[in-house]
Amino acid sequence: DIQMTQSPSSLSASVGDRVTLSCRTSQNINNYLNWYQQKPGKAPKLLVYGASTLQSEVPSRFSGSGSGTEFTLTINTLQPEDFATYFCQQSYSALRTFGQGTKVEI
Amino acid sequence: QVQLQESGPGLVEPSETLSLTCTVSGGSFTGSFWSWIRQPPGKGLEWLGFIYYTGNTKYNPSLESRVTMSMDTSKSQFSLQLRSVTVADTAVYYCARQLSGSSTEFFDFWGQGILVTVSS
Repeated sequence: DIQMTQSPSSLSASVGDRVTLSCRTSQNINNYLNWYQQKPGKAPKLLVYGASTLQSEVPSRFSGSGSGTEFTLTINTLQPEDFATYFCQQSYSALRTFGQGTKVEI
Repeated sequence: QVQLQESGPGLVEPSETLSLTCTVSGGSFTGSFWSWIRQPPGKGLEWLGFIYYTGNTKYNPSLESRVTMSMDTSKSQFSLQLRSVTVADTAVYYCARQLSGSSTEFFDFWGQGILVTVSS
């Protein structure tokens, strides 16, 4: 199984901040890495796929980067609606796996 | 806009079978992969498996002995059966479309989720 490690597990930030979330995989997954945002009581929402491609209608303040085993999701100018939990997910192996999540809170 | 809706019992007794259905609307049911994903309360996400519109399936090896996925293309529905459940199977169960391309794959549309509690 490909292990996914997200860091930090949680972070405190303020509106207007720039935040960077990390996702590390236990083996090379090229760019088969996706990012999701989940708010309490809601289903996850796809933000970024293929490590760096922004999903349609996702604000441009979100960006993804990385390849291989190290990936980053950056949120520029944090907005009130961005306080949520973010999950990375790999689609390289037949067993799709998710990271444990990073909670972005005030 | 593709929409998915889970349905089924919210309470299942231990050792029984959990059965859920996902109804798809607003898009093409054929030509896509359809997945089940679950999330225990306060925890992370676990992919359970997918079913392709042809009926081919792929399951998470950790659950393979207990899982069956099926579909009814005439109703644009796909289903999950999880046998011999325990309290560890208590979770919010999501259905999702799994979009696959030549060099990428992701879950782009999700149902709202349904909480299934395993308890006597």
